Amino acid sequence: GENVEQHPSTLSVQEGDSAVIKCTYSDSASNYFPWYKQELGKGPQLIIDIRSNVGEKKDQRIAVTLNKTAKHFSLHITETQPEDSAVYFCAASGNDMRFGAGTRLTVKP
Amino acid sequence: DAEITQSPRHKITETGRQVTLACHQTWNHNNMFWYRQDLGHGLRLIHYSYGVQDTNKGEVSDGYSVSRSNTEDLPLTLESAASSQTSVYFCASSWAGLNEQFFGPGTRLTVL
Repeated sequence: GENVEQHPSTLSVQEGDSAVIKCTYSDSASNYFPWYKQELGKGPQLIIDIRSNVGEKKDQRIAVTLNKTAKHFSLHITETQPEDSAVYFCAASGNDMRFGAGTRLTVKP
Repeated sequence: DAEITQSPRHKITETGRQVTLACHQTWNHNNMFWYRQDLGHGLRLIHYSYGVQDTNKGEVSDGYSVSRSNTEDLPLTLESAASSQTSVYFCASSWAGLNEQFFGPGTRLTVL
């Protein structure tokens, strides 16, 4: 089955800096790659997703890149703000969805 | 507004008891999922359903069962609760195919 690895497990940045979270996956049949943000005490919420026929997607301060050959994809957050502090999960989906272990992002004011 | 709800939000039970966690969505989504969330493991898929009367095992299905008798509900049953099943459980739903999953608020289950 699919195996998704996510790095780093924790990330601390200064407000205004960029943050990058990286994921790798094992199943070449996976073709949908969402990113979720989870705030304390809440369920995860989709922030951006990318499908296998696209190499990059951007939505305001958030961008995701996908390298299908290398089986890795990354989340980029620019101009970070304190409200970006949360746990972020990547996922890869073919027959079912597999999640990475999560990255706790802290943005210091 | 359409939503997905879970009940109860918190549950404490004893080893060996049967427990059922409820999940209800009002989007009329075909797909419904149950995950457990444990520190260091992210979200792991327990069971999922692609429609009424359809159920499938996920990555960590042992000791759990689901049934889908209508579109709106996918209850998760722990046949005989074990301490290893202490976790936070999330239900999610989505349209057919590979699409955004909408997550419920979670149920924190403690098995003593």
